[in-house]
Amino acid sequence: NAGVTQTPKFQVLKTGQSMTLQCAQDMNHNSMYWYRQDPGMGLRLIYYSASEGTTDKGEVPNGYNVSRLNKREFSLRLESAAPSQTSVYFCASSSRDLGVEKLFFGSGTQLSVL
Amino acid sequence: DAKTTQPPSMDCAEGRAANLPCNHSTISGNEYVYWYRQIHSQGPQYIIHGLKNNETNEMASLIITEDRKSSTLILPHATLRDTAVYYCIPLWTGNQFYFGTGTSLTVIP
Repeated sequence: NAGVTQTPKFQVLKTGQSMTLQCAQDMNHNSMYWYRQDPGMGLRLIYYSASEGTTDKGEVPNGYNVSRLNKREFSLRLESAAPSQTSVYFCASSSRDLGVEKLFFGSGTQLSVL
Repeated sequence: DAKTTQPPSMDCAEGRAANLPCNHSTISGNEYVYWYRQIHSQGPQYIIHGLKNNETNEMASLIITEDRKSSTLILPHATLRDTAVYYCIPLWTGNQFYFGTGTSLTVIP
């Protein structure tokens, strides 16, 4: 199993450019998440999808859109990138078993907006 | 969701036990306590969770006070590879994981 796969691993954008971060999981999980992590800080939830066809805002959704394309894939789009969006982005999916949830993370995408 | 308080940083000598505290005084009765760690900018990794009882797995032990207002993660024999940021997260099923800033543990040779 590959687990959670994110692409690309690194990206440099100019202010105003758009891009989509891709995420796919092969663990048949219902829930998927996008987090961002700024230097020296904890992870902050951007958006999440509790199941295929649903998405909800997290702590810091402004400037982002998401698409839950199917059960496997959850993409994050920056329509007009800003320097404040320079960060490391993590995708995750979660399993639920007997009332216990566990998150599984991808390896991250390091994004720089100039 | 319950709020947590963790010390920002701790040191531990290699081979000794690392005890990482977490205060979650507002935790509700149906919230589990989860612990994750993040090694050098990798994605966080699940360590252990508990509700009321103390728990142990191959990675760590979790001690939860009887009133559930605090917990301690114990790494019994810390190694250099345990140097990481450790997050304590109270959560009830169906809610979302919110990470704070955690405790940065440095294991010293």
